[in-house]
Amino acid sequence: DGGITQSPKYLFRKEGQNVTLSCEQNLNHDAMYWYRQDPGQGLRLIYYSQIVNDFQKGDIAEGYSVSREKKESFPLTVTSAQKNPTAFYLCASSTRGRLGGRETQYFGPGTRLLVL
Amino acid sequence: RKEVEQDPGPFNVPEGATVAFNCTYSNSASQSFFWYRQDCRKEPKLLMSVYSSGNEDGRFTAQLNRASQYISLLIRDSKLSDSATYLCVVNTNAGKSTFGDGTTLTVKP
Repeated sequence: DGGITQSPKYLFRKEGQNVTLSCEQNLNHDAMYWYRQDPGQGLRLIYYSQIVNDFQKGDIAEGYSVSREKKESFPLTVTSAQKNPTAFYLCASSTRGRLGGRETQYFGPGTRLLVL
Repeated sequence: RKEVEQDPGPFNVPEGATVAFNCTYSNSASQSFFWYRQDCRKEPKLLMSVYSSGNEDGRFTAQLNRASQYISLLIRDSKLSDSATYLCVVNTNAGKSTFGDGTTLTVKP
């Protein structure tokens, strides 16, 4: 079955710790995205990648880092510099890098990050 | 002011009711528009795209008003299973996708 997988489903972070969230897709999509969702709020873009080995900051990139070494994978690292990391993290992909057309985004099931 | 604004609700309606949600956007360069549905603690899923001429999918009708910069979603004959949060999404031709905060709908028996 084609789709997007994220792991783990729940992740606990200790103070000062870096953690990495996994996102894999087998849809052969060029573009991938990371969003953060806080309770009662919409999705905010952290980073996006339109092609392998290239990525751009979104609206709230501070305290996060990404890599795109393979088309299928777009891991997100939440660094210790992110002071309020507790949120629901959603990974998405789309067929083309530019979303001005009819391309829609397909989301993974998300990872809930909690700070201990 | 947020780029995409929605009435957060909640909208509490009985089964069989008709309910409408509006969404306004501020960027006149916006090119494409969508409604996503998000169930509690789940990922958003595409409900429908919104076309300039308006479009319908079963009980759901989406409309776009470019002059006033808003889109709407109408749900007829509401079902219990329609209970969810509905997210308005606006894409610009610069490749940016902006989400509204969502409108929560609860359909009651």
